[in-house]
Amino acid sequence: GQQVMQIPQYQHVQEGEDFTTYCNSSTTLSNIQWYKQRPGGHPVFLIQLVKSGEVKKQKRLTFQFGEAKKNSSLHITATQTTDVGTYFCAGPLHSARQLTFGSGTQLTVLP
Amino acid sequence: GAVVSQHPSWVICKSGTSVKIECRSLDFQATTMFWYRQFPKQSLMLMATSNEGSKATYEQGVEKDKFLINHASLTLSTLTVTSAHPEDSSFYICSARAEGTTGELFFGEGSRLTVL
Repeated sequence: GQQVMQIPQYQHVQEGEDFTTYCNSSTTLSNIQWYKQRPGGHPVFLIQLVKSGEVKKQKRLTFQFGEAKKNSSLHITATQTTDVGTYFCAGPLHSARQLTFGSGTQLTVLP
Repeated sequence: GAVVSQHPSWVICKSGTSVKIECRSLDFQATTMFWYRQFPKQSLMLMATSNEGSKATYEQGVEKDKFLINHASLTLSTLTVTSAHPEDSSFYICSARAEGTTGELFFGEGSRLTVL
């Protein structure tokens, strides 16, 4: 069935190293969103990408939407311990109103 | 930013009892709210879409008689887990977005249910 996959599932990095998570959809998306969930917390919206090939930056975070609008990536430069959490991509796979969440990438940053 | 409040944050109940979880949009109106379920270290699975003034739309495989959803006002949706069993233990999270938008979802704090 239609789904949104993310890799890797887990990533451990040393503080200061870079981190990237990749998101792939089985179908073209009108937009893609990224959320961060801290351990024990709830998902918090990070960003939405709409245009093909779009790149957006938030301080050390860089988000990219693929040309075919089926894949996306989140890159964190020089990770900090505050970056710890699970990063989810999400897109309107089945309807414009509903979001289907990716499998998530759990990031651990070692001090 | 917009705030969604969920209550209770955690609840422990005996098998066979029912538990009600409330989800409120505090500073915006939401004709639609979404209920997700999350197992440990897994993704969020959409259970149902709650529609103000009408029946909820359930995802495939979700029992509507088991998970009763009521959306009686523009700021409140409730999820009732009926006759709860240990396999219903999970993290339930509601979310909503500002009316007329298709962007950011605002999530409640989540409710951790443990059924003994």
